[in-house]
Amino acid sequence: SELTQDPAVSVAVGQTVRITCEGDSLRRYYASWNQQKPGQAPVVVNYGKNNRPSGIPDRFSGSNSGNTATLTISGAQAEDEADYYCNSRDSSGNHQVFGGGTKVTVL
Amino acid sequence: QVHLQESGPGLVKPSGTLSLTCTVSGDSIISNNWWSWVRQPPGKGLEWIGEIYHSGSTNYHPSLESRVTISVDKSKNQFSLNLMSVTAADTAVYYCGRLKTTVTTNWFDPWGQGTLVIVSS
Repeated sequence: SELTQDPAVSVAVGQTVRITCEGDSLRRYYASWNQQKPGQAPVVVNYGKNNRPSGIPDRFSGSNSGNTATLTISGAQAEDEADYYCNSRDSSGNHQVFGGGTKVTVL
Repeated sequence: QVHLQESGPGLVKPSGTLSLTCTVSGDSIISNNWWSWVRQPPGKGLEWIGEIYHSGSTNYHPSLESRVTISVDKSKNQFSLNLMSVTAADTAVYYCGRLKTTVTTNWFDPWGQGTLVIVSS
């Protein structure tokens, strides 16, 4: 199974941006969201129903509906400019799948 | 703090075997987590390769299953990746990661820093 993301989105500093991830597996599993800045390893910013690892700002929130997971950045900052990848298990539960990634540009 | 570090050759010849090791510190390889490999070709997205539990149970990406083996060394707190018969298409940054799981979700935390492997003669 696959996870589908929009390739790119832009947001003005201080505004809200929503990044979506669609896939059949999301009817069974919650997604996790990974932020990747150029030349760096990914970092998880949200997972499960809406959980943030320690050190992740509360402007990153997650939500889920049907086959769609959404990462919301409320009050985007310049440092949030990055690629964002969703991830979950596939419908069988035996494999991982990643979305193709969404490039977020902060204007 | 948990830290993962990849190591291995940065250059592999075509048709050869790519071998990488991930050394885990700050957590035990026999903790209740899966341990996973992910790769990223230059300029492209993340691709899951496979995962292992300390019991030896493994899951692999269907398109790589015939060429990949992931193993664990409990004595060294490490897990390893072997990818056979490599081609230029296997050139990528390879990441290892701890995969935390619940019944309803899983997440990579942390990721290793990644290591670039180039397949070229």
